[in-house]
Amino acid sequence: GQNIDQPTEMTATEGAIVQINCTYQTSGFNGLFWYQQHAGEAPTFLSYNVLDGLEEKGRFSSFLSRSKGYSYLLLKELQMKDSASYLCAVMDSNYQLIWGAGTKLIIKP
Amino acid sequence: DAGITQSPRHKVTETGTPVTLRCHQTENHRYMYWYRQDPGHGLRLIHYSYGVKDTDKGEVSDGYSVSRSKTEDFLLTLESATSSQTSVYFCAISESHSGANVLTFGAGSRLTVL
Repeated sequence: GQNIDQPTEMTATEGAIVQINCTYQTSGFNGLFWYQQHAGEAPTFLSYNVLDGLEEKGRFSSFLSRSKGYSYLLLKELQMKDSASYLCAVMDSNYQLIWGAGTKLIIKP
Repeated sequence: DAGITQSPRHKVTETGTPVTLRCHQTENHRYMYWYRQDPGHGLRLIHYSYGVKDTDKGEVSDGYSVSRSKTEDFLLTLESATSSQTSVYFCAISESHSGANVLTFGAGSRLTVL
């Protein structure tokens, strides 16, 4: 079966750096997405990786290793507003999105 | 702004009653999706549409039907609601962003089936 694994919850301190990991086993691969979801709100798109390597976008970066079935989202200079759930999703060979259950990130002052 | 609105935003209903959730978009997007989100689960696709009157099932379609008679409206119907269908339902459209087809979600509809 297809599977996306990410930690259920993480805690970090304001101003610090946190890395949220995502491992996947899917039928084929056509890209990996990260979304941010604040409590009670809709998910919003953060990043997309289809080739190996690091994509940087301001304080957020996303890394992909297709051979290892692994990605991470790196958040720098954490702010209280970064408290949210972070969802990893992989597009499989049928162009269907397979979603992880999400990582709830708690930021402490 | 993809201009997606969902209605109702909140609904409480009783087991066995029919429920229809509406998703309305204003930008002529071809693809529209209905997902449900439950604690401990990833988003799960219920149904999707690739054009007027063109729909297909997702991974959790049992107990749900959809209709798309106009480009802008995608309706999700629970013919006879059950408590297992208590969930948050998100509508989404697909649009191109940085070379990828990115989903943009509506604000969600929280359904409670008693």
